[in-house]
Amino acid sequence: NAGVMQNPRHLVRRRGQEARLRCSPMKGHSHVYWYRQLPEEGLKFMVYLQKENIIDESGMPKERFSAEFPKEGPSILRIQQVVRGDSAAYFCASSSTGAFDGYTFGSGTRLTVV
Amino acid sequence: KNQVEQSPQSLIILEGKNCTLQCNYTVSPFSNLRWYKQDTGRGPVSLTIMTFSENTKSNGRYTATLDADTKQSSLHITASQLSDSASYICVVSAAQAGTALIFGKGTTLSVSS
Repeated sequence: NAGVMQNPRHLVRRRGQEARLRCSPMKGHSHVYWYRQLPEEGLKFMVYLQKENIIDESGMPKERFSAEFPKEGPSILRIQQVVRGDSAAYFCASSSTGAFDGYTFGSGTRLTVV
Repeated sequence: KNQVEQSPQSLIILEGKNCTLQCNYTVSPFSNLRWYKQDTGRGPVSLTIMTFSENTKSNGRYTATLDADTKQSSLHITASQLSDSASYICVVSAAQAGTALIFGKGTTLSVSS
């Protein structure tokens, strides 16, 4: 069991470009959560997805950000027209039941916007 | 407002010494509390999880305590090792749903030889 896999580990984008962050949950996990961690800040919830459905996107900015978790393949967090303020570490977590137990984090993707 | 406050913000100790990290929360209704260790450049890894009825839980050299009345938790690390250098994050769940997790900003621990 390889755990929660995120790629790329590091991503550099110029202002205005698109960033695509991928998260493959642990085997058997169908619940995926995305978090953003700004420098010197705690993790902040962005979006919760279960296969093909967005359950809660209350933490996601209304513009430029979107997430999906298709029936096949990894979950994708997409940021369009990136700005410098999007520079952060983005973490994905997965669970099998949607509950706190068994919650496992990936190693994150560090996005730098130049 | 649901909040999790951790102290100190950072801490430096000598290898072999003990230390205690604090977590105060105002999350309600409380479901459970977890301490995570986050190494630099890595994702958080769970150390302990405590429910309302648990006062103490240990995991090797890590011992967490919980006082649900005062809404305080502590993480005690004994006989610290260089590999304990990391950020320690207190996370409180207000419900069973994952979206109700409230994260503290963490305490950065540096263990020096």
